[in-house]
Amino acid sequence: AQSVTQPDIHITVSEGASLELRCNYSYGATPYLFWYVQSPGQGLQLLLKYFSGDTLVQGIKGFEAEFKRSQSSFNLRKPSVHWSDAAEYFCAVGATEYGNKLVFGAGTILRVKS
Amino acid sequence: DAMVIQNPRYQVTQFGKPVTLSCSQTLNHNVMYWYQQKSSQAPKLLFHYYDKDFNNEADTPDNFQSRRPNTSFCFLDIRSPGLGDAAMYLCATSQGFQPQHFGDGTRLSIL
Repeated sequence: AQSVTQPDIHITVSEGASLELRCNYSYGATPYLFWYVQSPGQGLQLLLKYFSGDTLVQGIKGFEAEFKRSQSSFNLRKPSVHWSDAAEYFCAVGATEYGNKLVFGAGTILRVKS
Repeated sequence: DAMVIQNPRYQVTQFGKPVTLSCSQTLNHNVMYWYQQKSSQAPKLLFHYYDKDFNNEADTPDNFQSRRPNTSFCFLDIRSPGLGDAAMYLCATSQGFQPQHFGDGTRLSIL
């Protein structure tokens, strides 16, 4: 079965600083990979996805992520964080042989200090 | 805008009193999902409908059921809510294996 690890429960960065959120997955073949963001009391919003092709994917709000098969990683990055980026970020993996099931990581809470 | 709408946003029920949460979509997606998200945890899939085919996760309690009367609507029924069922319930939709679109959730409290 697939699984996702987000090793950082909380991260605090200064506004304007760069950001990297880590995500490692476990799956035998090439999975579908996603990053979602959740603000308090809200649903999840898709930031970006990787299905195949170029391993560096661009998303909304200036985010990007890089798929590294050799490291089983799909880390999320942003060059300059804004205060409005404070939220919880979830990495998720899907695989067609498991139907439409997404498995989420435990999430990383991002705090932005001014 | 096409979207996923969950009603109500906040639901309070009594211990053991049946409750129904609703989800509607204007995206015309063929797959609809229900997730349970407890405080400070990741969303956990309860079940999903692929068109009319119902798929239940193995560890979803029998207390939870779902109905999908048509493409646009899906309901989550909790027959006898316990204190442990207090959570945010998220509905999502997708077209096949494309990314899932989430509603804003219903926060369920049990008195």
